[in-house]
Amino acid sequence: GAGVSQSPSNKVTEKGKDVELRCDPISGHTALYWYRQRLGQGLEFLIYFQGNSAPDKSGLPSDRFSAERTGESVSTLTIQRTQQEDSAVYLCASSFTGTSLGGTQYFGPGTRLLVL
Amino acid sequence: QQQVKQSPQSLIVQKGGISIINCAYENTAFDYFPWYQQFPGKGPALLIAIRPDVSEKKEGRFTISFNKSAKQFSLHIMDSQPGDSATYFCAPFSSGSARQLTFGSGTQLTVLP
Repeated sequence: GAGVSQSPSNKVTEKGKDVELRCDPISGHTALYWYRQRLGQGLEFLIYFQGNSAPDKSGLPSDRFSAERTGESVSTLTIQRTQQEDSAVYLCASSFTGTSLGGTQYFGPGTRLLVL
Repeated sequence: QQQVKQSPQSLIVQKGGISIINCAYENTAFDYFPWYQQFPGKGPALLIAIRPDVSEKKEGRFTISFNKSAKQFSLHIMDSQPGDSATYFCAPFSSGSARQLTFGSGTQLTVLP
């Protein structure tokens, strides 16, 4: 595709349910990032994938959060037993060069998650 | 530890005026200094970026000024237009250590017609 795509665009769920968010990066981009953005706030790093290296999970806020990536393709972010404080926009970004050259990150439109 | 401090939180400018947004950082390992622009309902997009070997970079109406000794960099928008109304984030990066951008808290710019 032409850019990073994310699905669903909006998700409303009940407290305690699990949700799965999907990200399709730009083809050929080796690096993929997930961020969380609360209303009116900056972006909070969650997790980073680079090629076949072990992901950097240092930003995941709790063990309820996990993410996977299939090769250099699709990634899914899973939030188990959702809480109201998980309500936010979840943004995915991909880049070609990853860390070494400060590669420009291209962001998707985000998934707006609301936990009731 | 807050590594990046962005100011102001919000800014209102008349059309044609100059918008100035500042970013102060603590990590001396940062070696790439981008500004991202985010419109409502969209993800951020790279606007302009600078490396520390130059003190200023200009692209059209947008200029980054970099002060290495003060550990600050700023975004200047000349001849501001209503279409520039968006949220702006600084996001300094260390290619040698950190793997992710460290985003400032954002500046909501409103340009009045």
